[in-house]
Amino acid sequence: KAGVTQTPRYLIKTRGQQVTLSCSPISGHRSVSWYQQTPGQGLQFLFEYFSETQRNKGNFPGRFSGRQFSNSRSEMNVSTLELGDSALYLCASSFNSGNSNEQFFGPGTRLTVL
Amino acid sequence: AQSVTQLGSHVSVSEGALVLLRCNYSSSVPPYLFWYVQYPNQGLQLLLKYTTGATLVKGINGFEAEFKKSETSFHLTKPSAHMSDAAEYFCAVRTNSGNTPLVFGKGTRLSVIA
Repeated sequence: KAGVTQTPRYLIKTRGQQVTLSCSPISGHRSVSWYQQTPGQGLQFLFEYFSETQRNKGNFPGRFSGRQFSNSRSEMNVSTLELGDSALYLCASSFNSGNSNEQFFGPGTRLTVL
Repeated sequence: AQSVTQLGSHVSVSEGALVLLRCNYSSSVPPYLFWYVQYPNQGLQLLLKYTTGATLVKGINGFEAEFKKSETSFHLTKPSAHMSDAAEYFCAVRTNSGNTPLVFGKGTRLSVIA
């Protein structure tokens, strides 16, 4: 069974631009979560989607948004990029939205904002 | 709100020595607890999790952790370190009910010295 895939793997943008990151969950998984990982702040939760509905949202500004499609694939968008948005963005999928479920992580998209 | 504290951002052990990575959590309701490992340029992989039942949990690669409610701890151990164990380790907590996200600690980087 294929794992979680994220595209692109690497991205370089300039301040003020916007970016869209994509995540394809493991087949059959209906829950997708997004995290931002930086050396200073560690792993911070962005959003969680289940069956196309946002189930939970972390403490990030409105510039960060996401969505989930009917095939469970998910995208996140960051508008008006800032230098501080440079990070590794990780997507994780799980079978359903149960709190005890293991989350399977993709390799991440490394975003660099210049 | 739940939180996780990992004592020691960097732990160094000799090959063959005991590995002990410390994790303390805070949660107002019974928690689900997880340990993940991250190798360079990769996503996170689940080592083990505690949900209910036996408080000593065995995971992959010879790791285990014990849930101690009275100490609010979930320390990760391995009797004998291998060079391949060098990685970053994350403890995470999620409540056993309600609409809450998975919350990660800051991580502990494990170095194994030959």
